[in-house]
Amino acid sequence: DIQMTQSPSSLSASVGDRVTITCRASQSITSYLNWYQQKPGKAPKLLIYVASRLQSGVPSRFSGSGSGTDFTLTISSLQPEDFATYYCQQSDSTPRTFGQGTKVEIK
Amino acid sequence: QVQLQESGPGLVKPSGTLSLTCAVSGGSISYIYWWSWVRQPPGKGLEWIGDVYHTGSTNYNPSLKSRVTISVDKSNNQFSLKLDSVTAADTAVYYCARWQDGYNLYYFDYWGQGTLVTVSS
Repeated sequence: DIQMTQSPSSLSASVGDRVTITCRASQSITSYLNWYQQKPGKAPKLLIYVASRLQSGVPSRFSGSGSGTDFTLTISSLQPEDFATYYCQQSDSTPRTFGQGTKVEIK
Repeated sequence: QVQLQESGPGLVKPSGTLSLTCAVSGGSISYIYWWSWVRQPPGKGLEWIGDVYHTGSTNYNPSLKSRVTISVDKSNNQFSLKLDSVTAADTAVYYCARWQDGYNLYYFDYWGQGTLVTVSS
């Protein structure tokens, strides 16, 4: 199985801050990496696929980068509605595996 | 707009079988997607359980494979999950989701709202 490790597990930030979350795969997954946002009591929502492609309807302040084993999700200017938990997920092979999540909290 | 809706018992006894159904609306289940189950224990992360194609082909997480059956019902545009021999560790919110699989694009793009299943006597 490919293990996905996110860092940090949680962070505190203020509205307007630039936020970066990293995700590392235990082996190369080329660009087969997705990012999801989950708010309390809600299903995950796809933000980014194939490492850097923005899902339709997702604000442009979200961006993704990386390839191989190291990936980054960046929120350029944090908005109140962005406080949530973020998960990376590899789509290179089964079993489909997720990172443990990064909770973004209000500072 | 595709919509997915989970249904099934919210309480299952230990050693029993967890059974859930996901109804798909707004699109045919007989298309180029895989139909998946993902679970999330309270306060924890996401775990992929497995998925099914409209032909009946399946993929399962090896950690659950011995206990899981996922099947498709094309006539009712729905798919189902059965998990045998459940324990308290299987208590979780269970989500059904659509897995986009093709054109070098692979991701979960639509999700149900999730249903909490508690394993308890």
